[in-house]
Amino acid sequence: AQSVTQLDSHVSVSEGTPVLLRCNYSSSYSPSLFWYVQHPNKGLQLLLKYTSAATLVKGINGFEAEFKKSETSFHLTKPSAHMSDAAEYFCVVSDRGNQGGKLIFGQGTELSVKP
Amino acid sequence: DSGVTQTPKHLITATGQRVTLRCSPRSGDLSVYWYQQSLDQGLQFLIQYYNGEERAKGNILERFSAQQFPDLHSELNLSSLELGDSALYFCASSPREEQFFGPGTRLTVL
Repeated sequence: AQSVTQLDSHVSVSEGTPVLLRCNYSSSYSPSLFWYVQHPNKGLQLLLKYTSAATLVKGINGFEAEFKKSETSFHLTKPSAHMSDAAEYFCVVSDRGNQGGKLIFGQGTELSVKP
Repeated sequence: DSGVTQTPKHLITATGQRVTLRCSPRSGDLSVYWYQQSLDQGLQFLIQYYNGEERAKGNILERFSAQQFPDLHSELNLSSLELGDSALYFCASSPREEQFFGPGTRLTVL
């Protein structure tokens, strides 16, 4: 069965400093992995996706994530945090890899950005 | 804007009542998924439809049902509502593996 574990429920950074949100996954086969962001009282926006092409995936708003099979990790990073990055971030695995299927969400990491 | 629309945005109702949530997928997407987001359960998959047919079921209560119509819009029906059904309900549409989410319907059961 597929699952994801987000290692931090809350991360706080200062504006202009790097962001690291950690995610480990478990999958029976080559996974499709995603990061979604949810701003307060908003829907879910796709930040980036990994579907077995390049292991370093670039997303929107300067975010990127690296797929590491040996560590079963898919951590999300950004070199320099902006105030507008404050939101909840979800690491997600697809139930049926690149064949689509339901999404399985982590518990979320709330990112706070201090001025 | 993801291209997925959901109505209504907010819904306040009483226990025991029935409500219908509506979702219109992105143009060309045949798959529609429904998810429930609550504080205690997080984001949970409810049900998937593909081109009018039920494709997969998750943790959906028997009091809940859904359907997808020939024009591909979908409705989620929630009946005999309980306080614990208060949550944010999202629908998503998908061309393949990634899913695009609507803004959600916030349901409050009083």
